[in-house]
Amino acid sequence: EVQLVESGGGLVQPGGSLRLSCAASGFTFSSYAMSWVRQAPGKGLEWVSAISGSGGSTYYADSVKGRFSISRDNSKNTLYLQVNSLRAEDTAIYYCAKDATTVTFFVPGNWGQGTLVTVSS
Amino acid sequence: SSELTQDPAVSVALGQTVRITCQGDSLRGYYASWYQQKPGQAPVLVIYGKNNRPSGIPDRFSGSSSGNTASLTITGAQAEDEADYYCNSRDSSGNHLVFGGGTKLTVL
Repeated sequence: EVQLVESGGGLVQPGGSLRLSCAASGFTFSSYAMSWVRQAPGKGLEWVSAISGSGGSTYYADSVKGRFSISRDNSKNTLYLQVNSLRAEDTAIYYCAKDATTVTFFVPGNWGQGTLVTVSS
Repeated sequence: SSELTQDPAVSVALGQTVRITCQGDSLRGYYASWYQQKPGQAPVLVIYGKNNRPSGIPDRFSGSSSGNTASLTITGAQAEDEADYYCNSRDSSGNHLVFGGGTKLTVL
């Protein structure tokens, strides 16, 4: 069974940083592209970033480019999102997602339950 | 354009068929994926690619596309289908993923 468990969220002041993690199990982690998607309270879904299975290709939404960094450790089956220079508008539940198949990209399939990031002074 | 447009709300009578649409220029070149999200839960992928359903998704869910419009059809809507539905696809550059604003489906 695919499991994705996010952690690392919390309350942080504007300008602060966090490192979000997503522990994956139940599938061959290195064979799948992975994504981070966020959802502000009461709002819709917003794609944040994606990374290829090898980690060699990364992509970012314009709203986070230069502030966020996606990475993965295939030896630890873990996906990361380093979030820096946080703003109030970054407040959201951050979901990690595994691509639907080994040949798709930008098709988040299985999703974790999310970790809440709150940016406030 | 990098936008995907969805109707904010749609309703359907129990057992009837409903179509939820998603419009955007990028859909002329990329397939849409569709997600169901119930309150307090993570999204669930229901359709991707030309018309692919992940394991466990009922066959009353189907997808189609024409021009700049992608559609999710629920044939014989059930009470448990009441949820928010989001489409997404790559943007025209192919290097970003874009979500529609979501459609709240009410089953009457």
